[in-house]
Amino acid sequence: DAGITQSPRYKITETGRQVTLMCHQTWSHSYMFWYRQDLGHGLRLIYYSAAADITDKGEVPDGYVVSRSKTENFPLTLESATRSQTSVYFCASSESRVNYGYTFGSGTRLTVV
Amino acid sequence: RKEVEQDPGPFNVPEGATVAFNCTYSNSASQSFFWYRQDCRKEPKLLMSVYSSGNEDGRFTAQLNRASQYISLLIRDSKLSDSATYLCVASSTGGFKTIFGAGTRLFVKA
Repeated sequence: DAGITQSPRYKITETGRQVTLMCHQTWSHSYMFWYRQDLGHGLRLIYYSAAADITDKGEVPDGYVVSRSKTENFPLTLESATRSQTSVYFCASSESRVNYGYTFGSGTRLTVV
Repeated sequence: RKEVEQDPGPFNVPEGATVAFNCTYSNSASQSFFWYRQDCRKEPKLLMSVYSSGNEDGRFTAQLNRASQYISLLIRDSKLSDSATYLCVASSTGGFKTIFGAGTRLFVKA
């Protein structure tokens, strides 16, 4: 199906484990983003990508790694999960550098125990 | 001070009411503005862009006041289905300095 999909929808992991959240879009949008959403903070940008092999840090990048070898995929890896990384993670994409608004995936609810 | 500030609410209004939300932003370099809607446990969805001249989409009207650095959203004839959280967004030139407000919760009751 066309669109932007995230997997898994729910994930429980233990402190110290590595976990990867997947994001796939079928529109060939150049720009992709990872946000986390926490109560009281709203959405905060973790990393973004302007094209394949081009990524940059957002507001809260510590503890996260991204890659973008293909335009359609933008995985987010937590190298050593901590409880403070318990959150809802949203991937988004945009067709243009000028901000016409983003389309978000349905999110991944991550719990670190 | 947060870069984009919204009254968290909740706003509790009866069906048919008119309700308005305001949002302030602190970055004077912000160029693009949006309202998103987010239903409980769902992803944010773009509701509308906000232009200096003001814009309307059905029952929804958005306004931008650059001088005072605030954005507003007016919902007329509220429906039960309008119950959601509304996120205000300000974005600087280039689009990557995009800041989301924490949202305003709206409950529309029969």
